[in-house]
Amino acid sequence: AQTVTQSQPEMSVQEAETVTLSCTYDTSENNYYLFWYKQPPSRQMILVIRQEAYKQQNATENRFSVNFQKAAKSFSLKISDSQLGDTAMYFCAFMKHARDNNDMRFGAGTRLTVKP
Amino acid sequence: NAGVMQNPRHLVRRRGQEARLRCSPMKGHSHVYWYRQLPEEGLKFMVYLQKENIIDESGMPKERFSAEFPKEGPSILRIQQVVRGDSAAYFCASSPGRRGELFFGEGSRLTVL
Repeated sequence: AQTVTQSQPEMSVQEAETVTLSCTYDTSENNYYLFWYKQPPSRQMILVIRQEAYKQQNATENRFSVNFQKAAKSFSLKISDSQLGDTAMYFCAFMKHARDNNDMRFGAGTRLTVKP
Repeated sequence: NAGVMQNPRHLVRRRGQEARLRCSPMKGHSHVYWYRQLPEEGLKFMVYLQKENIIDESGMPKERFSAEFPKEGPSILRIQQVVRGDSAAYFCASSPGRRGELFFGEGSRLTVL
């Protein structure tokens, strides 16, 4: 079974600073996807960034980037130039690259607060 | 192109009543997933459906919970004889295929009194 662990229940950062959220996972699969989702107070689940395990290059989306360490099974999210609107719960998620099942498994989340 | 639509957004039920949550996937998506989120927790997988078929229900409680995705109409998550522990946010997601990215609805919050 796949498990996803987010060891930081809460974090805070000053506006315009950089923050890194940690995520580790456990799997015996070789091909899979990793995701970071943002859940603001509205509770909408918003995809922030995704990474395919077979790609060595770290994914980047504007101010968001990941540090994907496949051997260490680590997938951290870096948010640069933090903005007040980045305040939200952030969930790391894993999805197998399998023909018969592709349900997504989530970590418990990290609550990020961006302070003015 | 409308996103994943869930309704109702909020549902209040008394213990023993039935709750029905509906999910209309994005246009062109034939795969639907249901997740449950308890307060201060991540999303827990419940069930994965395609049109008229349940593909994986390994996350569904064995009793009182059922899900369907008929040929016509939305996917339905049904909870019979609700108990207070069923109070949670229930999220639906859809994807265009087996390996597609999941697009989430805004969730339905069930409160059991």
